[in-house]
Amino acid sequence: QKEVEQDPGPLSVPEGAIVSLNCTYSNSAFQYFMWYRQYSRKGPELLMYTYSSGNKEDGRFTAQVDKSSKYISLFIRDSQPSDSATYLCAMGGFMDSSYKLIFGSGTRLLVRP
Amino acid sequence: EAGVTQSPTHLIKTRGQQATLRCSPISGHTSVYWYQQALGLGLQFLLWYDEGEERNRGNFPPRFSGRQFPNYSSELNVNALELEDSALYLCASSPTDSPGHTEAFFGQGTRLTVV
Repeated sequence: QKEVEQDPGPLSVPEGAIVSLNCTYSNSAFQYFMWYRQYSRKGPELLMYTYSSGNKEDGRFTAQVDKSSKYISLFIRDSQPSDSATYLCAMGGFMDSSYKLIFGSGTRLLVRP
Repeated sequence: EAGVTQSPTHLIKTRGQQATLRCSPISGHTSVYWYQQALGLGLQFLLWYDEGEERNRGNFPPRFSGRQFPNYSSELNVNALELEDSALYLCASSPTDSPGHTEAFFGQGTRLTVV
């Protein structure tokens, strides 16, 4: 079992839809939870990060962490064609005396005009 | 302010050769991370350098190595290239005190193709 699981998609939605992207994980040592957006042929761009559990909102984006279920989500409201990209979750924590940062494999999102 | 810059953008090598990839972090950032992004596999952590020292290493063979220079720029060297080393190699930088590497900013990557 991978430490971080993420549905590769692609996820296709119409413009204006609410998008829900999710990751599950297996290691309870993860404390930091991040979402990155990666456009084709570009490096990942940090969207949001959360420490421990809870919600965080930034404009049209909301990140949620449920540590009891080992489940994190990114919601995008009023989705735009410019949101079409691959979204990567990442989780970090101290384990085996060192810090590990593990990325999901990414979900491709396509927002249709 | 300039972001993380990587060179070259593209690199084509033959099997068995060595590849050298370079990264310049954002000014003021002392930590540099290297990741491999192979098709369909997501980002795999390779190396973390901070203040010139190797702090952590991912699950890669010793032919993947690197270093960080006094100006905090970094090199990734891949020896004895294999076909499966073909991937996008990404460099990221962050301030030393970035909690949980949460302030890591990525470069555009170097696309390495081994033929």
